[in-house]
Amino acid sequence: DQQVKQNSPSLSVQEGRISILNCDYTNSMFDYFLWYKKYPAEGPTFLISISSIKDKNEDGRFTVFLNKSAKHLSLHIVPSQPGDSAVYFCAASDKTGANNLFFGTGTRLTVIP
Amino acid sequence: DAGITQSPRHKVTETGTPVTLRCHQTENHRYMYWYRQDPGHGLRLIHYSYGVKDTDKGEVSDGYSVSRSKTEDFLLTLESATSSQTSVYFCAITQGASGADTQYFGPGTRLTVL
Repeated sequence: DQQVKQNSPSLSVQEGRISILNCDYTNSMFDYFLWYKKYPAEGPTFLISISSIKDKNEDGRFTVFLNKSAKHLSLHIVPSQPGDSAVYFCAASDKTGANNLFFGTGTRLTVIP
Repeated sequence: DAGITQSPRHKVTETGTPVTLRCHQTENHRYMYWYRQDPGHGLRLIHYSYGVKDTDKGEVSDGYSVSRSKTEDFLLTLESATSSQTSVYFCAITQGASGADTQYFGPGTRLTVL
């Protein structure tokens, strides 16, 4: 059963506007969350993370919000740029043992110039 | 750049043949991981290693074995490849001293089993 879910397989946004990517999880033991970006024929690239002790983390144009009561996190990209077009994966870890990550199925973001 | 290379980058093989994929890192990271990526599943952990000769199973380990005889190399072996193992395989490392750290990924190996 998928413990991390990304229910929107794709999203299209105009350049300059905000992109919001969503992620839900079911395991209450998860305490560390990450977003990765992936271009075709490349490995996932780490984007931003958040610990469960926080509800927001910001890095330049990227902000991740965590709502623990709803078991929901979101990634905001403002302003969106054409180079942001990629597949975005949400991942979660319970930080036990070797920090195994559980990934969502990904959302393909297309930023339209 | 986490200094990870994977080889081969592409491989086509036939059902029943053994296949070994290699992950090589140059920065002495302790933790290394093998994932597979499939449509509709995201990335799923196959096996991981927390040191030389120390390995453990992940979520989808059936049909796979691993070995780590030196820090820099983590090998993934399909003893007898099946069509269900057609996938893109990614190696990852953590840069921290423990497993509780951000994972960084290699470029991937696309494996096709005919």
